[in-house]
Amino acid sequence: ETGVTQTPRHLVMGMTNKKSLKCEQHLGHNAMYWYKQSAKKPLELMFVYSLEERVENNSVPSRFSPECPNSSHLFLHLHTLQPEDSALYLCASSQTLAGANVLTFGAGSRLTVL
Amino acid sequence: EDKVVQSPLSLVVHEGDTVTLNCSYEVTNFRSLLWYKQEKKAPTFLFMLTSSGIEKKSGRLSSILDKKELFSILNITATQTGDSAVYLCAVEMDSSYKLIFGSGTRLLVRP
Repeated sequence: ETGVTQTPRHLVMGMTNKKSLKCEQHLGHNAMYWYKQSAKKPLELMFVYSLEERVENNSVPSRFSPECPNSSHLFLHLHTLQPEDSALYLCASSQTLAGANVLTFGAGSRLTVL
Repeated sequence: EDKVVQSPLSLVVHEGDTVTLNCSYEVTNFRSLLWYKQEKKAPTFLFMLTSSGIEKKSGRLSSILDKKELFSILNITATQTGDSAVYLCAVEMDSSYKLIFGSGTRLLVRP
């Protein structure tokens, strides 16, 4: 496997469910990100991890809970979501946290909240 | 408030046409501007621009930055159906890991 891999690709969940999105990067990068992409809106940064330490929580509701157990893996735990949380969730990684910040994105997890 | 604005929002052209996509920005402490192409799901990196007036080129795609007027353009010549995608512009600020994205330009190239 190369690049950034996200699973599942599609997820449908009810408002009372608990689920998790998984991201794995095979690039040896030191920083990982969660972005939210809603229809007709710019990508929104949610969380940033550098060397497994969270360095950014961009005013994201607590029903989204990130976890970074090591520099290659990133999770987004979901619970009691709202229909407006339906979106494409993109994971990305970069070699450095800042400066020449070229992100490599995964294919995304399409989330639908019923 | 930092913002990145792309235009047009969508564009339909025929194969062989040349297109120009625009990205303007208002941010504090500009560091670089990046272009990404998003076909199905994953945005893929195209260009990073840091200096004014220096064209970056890759095949039929080219891009240039104007730091005085605060904008960048992405040109695609001799378009092909495979160029159909959403093109995203993002700006990185100095001493920050955040990228501010525009809403994207959706390009459709018809045969």
